[in-house]
Amino acid sequence: QITLKESGPTLVRPTQTLTLTCTFSGFSLTTSGVGVGWIRQSPGKAPQWLTLIYWDDDKLYNPSLRSRLTITKDTSKNQVVLTMTNMDPVDTATYYCARLTTMVNVLDYWGQGTLVTVSS
Amino acid sequence: DIQMTQSPSSLSASVGDRVTITCRASQSITRYLNWYQFKSGKAPKLLIYAASNLQGGVPSRFSGSGSGTDFTLTISSLQPEDFATYYCQQSYSIRPLTFGGGTRVEIK
Repeated sequence: QITLKESGPTLVRPTQTLTLTCTFSGFSLTTSGVGVGWIRQSPGKAPQWLTLIYWDDDKLYNPSLRSRLTITKDTSKNQVVLTMTNMDPVDTATYYCARLTTMVNVLDYWGQGTLVTVSS
Repeated sequence: DIQMTQSPSSLSASVGDRVTITCRASQSITRYLNWYQFKSGKAPKLLIYAASNLQGGVPSRFSGSGSGTDFTLTISSLQPEDFATYYCQQSYSIRPLTFGGGTRVEIK
């Protein structure tokens, strides 16, 4: 059974750095063709893809947010970590992590998401 | 970026109704089109991948079709648990992956 779960702060102050952890089970991020990505959804808006990390440590970032994002993995802990710098109230959203399979680049399993509010 | 446009943005339907949602890409994405179901407080669920392939465990009342720029998600007989928001997503260009604006399916 494949599961993913996001964890991290629910409230972040403007200009601070957000760090979220995705802890997963049921698959390995050392398996060829597997990746883990982050997607966010602001209230009332469509989901926005943020970043991906692959089994071979290749990384992709949404160009619109590239300067603020970093993604890393710890395969021994089955975790992927997202950091986003210089948080702003417009970054208030539910942040999801999801597994990606490269065969058709589909996000086939998702976590429940974690709501992050940016406010002073 | 490849823009994805869904229609309608919302619809009201009754249990048992046939529901069709469309998604249009701003350029050809061949068949790299996926459909997801979002419900508040739950993990989003993959329904259809590569335009017409049913994800394991998804009821057969869900189906997808299309290629190129125009795609359709059909629910053949709407069930109470299907009231949700549905999003299409292109995976033809991964930089960036993009989603449609969503279709909210409400109870009539």
